[in-house]
Amino acid sequence: GQQVMQIPQYQHVQEGEDFTTYCNSSTTLSNIQWYKQRPGGHPVFLIQLVKSGEVKKQKRLTFQFGEAKKNSSLHITATQTTDVGTYFCATTPGSNYKLTFGKGTLLTVNP
Amino acid sequence: GAGVSQSPRYKVAKRGQDVALRCDPISGHVSLFWYQQALGQGPEFLTYFQNEAQLDKSGLPSDRFFAERPEGSVSTLKIQRTQQEDSAVYLCASSPQYQETQYFGPGTRLLVL
Repeated sequence: GQQVMQIPQYQHVQEGEDFTTYCNSSTTLSNIQWYKQRPGGHPVFLIQLVKSGEVKKQKRLTFQFGEAKKNSSLHITATQTTDVGTYFCATTPGSNYKLTFGKGTLLTVNP
Repeated sequence: GAGVSQSPRYKVAKRGQDVALRCDPISGHVSLFWYQQALGQGPEFLTYFQNEAQLDKSGLPSDRFFAERPEGSVSTLKIQRTQQEDSAVYLCASSPQYQETQYFGPGTRLLVL
């Protein structure tokens, strides 16, 4: 089935630094979704991208979907301690409902 | 409104015991999903219901796993004769309709000793 690879696996930053996580696929994706999971918590939906080259912003978070629809990124500007958690990309292949998740990037922020 | 709720939040079982995990989806949500999340991994799909119909159970790891949603609302995931490799967080998610955003519950953390 369709797989998405995420890098890096871990990222530790000082508060105020920027952070980026990348999601890659060997096949064209119909969509990419991003979730945040706080330590001990559950995945919380952040956003969905469906169009080639799409860029969406949510306050300090910027989401991009590649032109070829094979990669995506999540960038956080000026991280805060509240940004701590694991960020997952996920996709539902074609007209399927089945979410396939990447392994996630664990972000820790040093205050 | 209320989100997805799951119970119990934590379950410790002895190897060989049967367990039942409950999911209360958001009221009115047609679609319901179960996922398994191992430590340090992303959630993996187990099964999908549309109303009371189980349309996909391709992710269930073995015939020891069984899920039901008899009245199209509450769902139960049952694991028979638990094994240590069943230890994981079991997440339930619901969505208003097919292919819409999935809202996750807090999960049940299962530890099999």
